[in-house]
Order: sequence, then C-alpha cells, then structure tokens
Amino acid sequence: GENVEQHPSTLSVQEGDSAVIKCTYSDSASNYFPWYKQELGKRPQLIIDIRSNVGEKKDQRIAVTLNKTAKHFSLHITETQPEDSAVYFCAASTGGNNRLAFGKGNQVVVIP
Amino acid sequence: DTGVSQDPRHKITKRGQNVTFRCDPISEHNRLYWYRQTLGQGPEFLTYFQNEAQLEKSRLLSDRFSAERPKGSFSTLEIQRTEQGDSAMYLCASSSRGATEAFFGQGTRLTVV
Repeated sequence: GENVEQHPSTLSVQEGDSAVIKCTYSDSASNYFPWYKQELGKRPQLIIDIRSNVGEKKDQRIAVTLNKTAKHFSLHITETQPEDSAVYFCAASTGGNNRLAFGKGNQVVVIP
Repeated sequence: DTGVSQDPRHKITKRGQNVTFRCDPISEHNRLYWYRQTLGQGPEFLTYFQNEAQLEKSRLLSDRFSAERPKGSFSTLEIQRTEQGDSAMYLCASSSRGATEAFFGQGTRLTVV
C-alpha cells in the first residue's frame, strides 16, 4: 500500500518567517494530496490540497507544490503567526474510494 | 454545527468490555470513513462506506471490530472484548460523491484500562 513520510518531525520558526514541510510518497498511482492541520485535542482540518495534474496551488499564506517525478510534495507557510502552531499531516490517495494514507505529522512551533 | 459529529467524545472502559461509537456525517455525504489515530501518529484507515455498503476494510480491523451504516446516513463502530492496545482516538470522516475532500469529526477518544 501507499507509504507517506514527512520530514522534519518538529519545526520551530520565528514569527514572520516561512515554514516548509516535505512529504514523500511511494505509490506512483496516487493522484490527490491533501494537507491537514490538527491543533491539540481538535479534529484534523483540511487546509489545502493538490491534484496530480497541478504542480502548485496557493491559498493566501499557504501553498503546496508537487513533484510527481520525485514523488514528493511540500507545504509552504509564509509570514507565520502563532496560530499556525499545530501538527500538520500530509496524505495521499489514489482516488477511487479516496482512502487517505497519512504521514506521521510535523509539529510546527511558531515562536513569537 | 453542520460538520461531522461523533459520540461520545471520550470513553473509558475496562478491558474485555464492548464499546460502540457513533458517527453522523455531513448531510448528503455518501462516503464515510473510519480512521484510528494513536499518539504521535497520523490517522490510519480502518474502513470505508459508500452509502450503506462497506466497500473496504483495513487489515487493522480485526474480527473484534465491526462497523455498520444501515441506512446510509450515520455509522457505528463496535469493538468487542476491548484490549489495552485499542486505546486510541477513533476518527470519522465523510465526503460527497465526486469530491475528494474529506472532513473529519472531533473523534472519540477510547481509553481501555
């Protein structure tokens, strides 16, 4: 099955700086790549996603890039704010039933 | 709140007891998923329904686990003869036909003592 890995496991950034989280996936048939943000004790929330026919997608301060050849995708957060502190999960799906394979998560800490 | 809702939010049970969780998906979402999340890990897929049909089950779903979605709306997940290793957050998610976005509920945190 699909195997998704995230790096680094923990990322600390100064407020206002950018944060980048990278994920790799194993199944070349995967075609949908969402990112979820999970704050402590709360549900995972979909923040951005990308499909395999697109190389980059932006939504205000967040963006996702996809490199299908290398089988990796990245989340970029610019002008980080304290409320960006959370665990971020990447996931991959081959479509069809849209079953998601998640990475282990990245703890992002924004230092005021 | 029109999002995915799960009940109960927390459940503490003794080893060997049976527990049942409920998930109410977003209205008119025909796809429903159960995931399990342990501390420091991402959610792991357990099972998937399209309407009332259970179309896929993970190998993680042992014989002690059963899930139903009798009318294609809410779903239940039952764990029989609970073990300490079943302690986890059980998350439900739903999505609509033709859409890839899945929306999660708050989860049910199970503690087996």
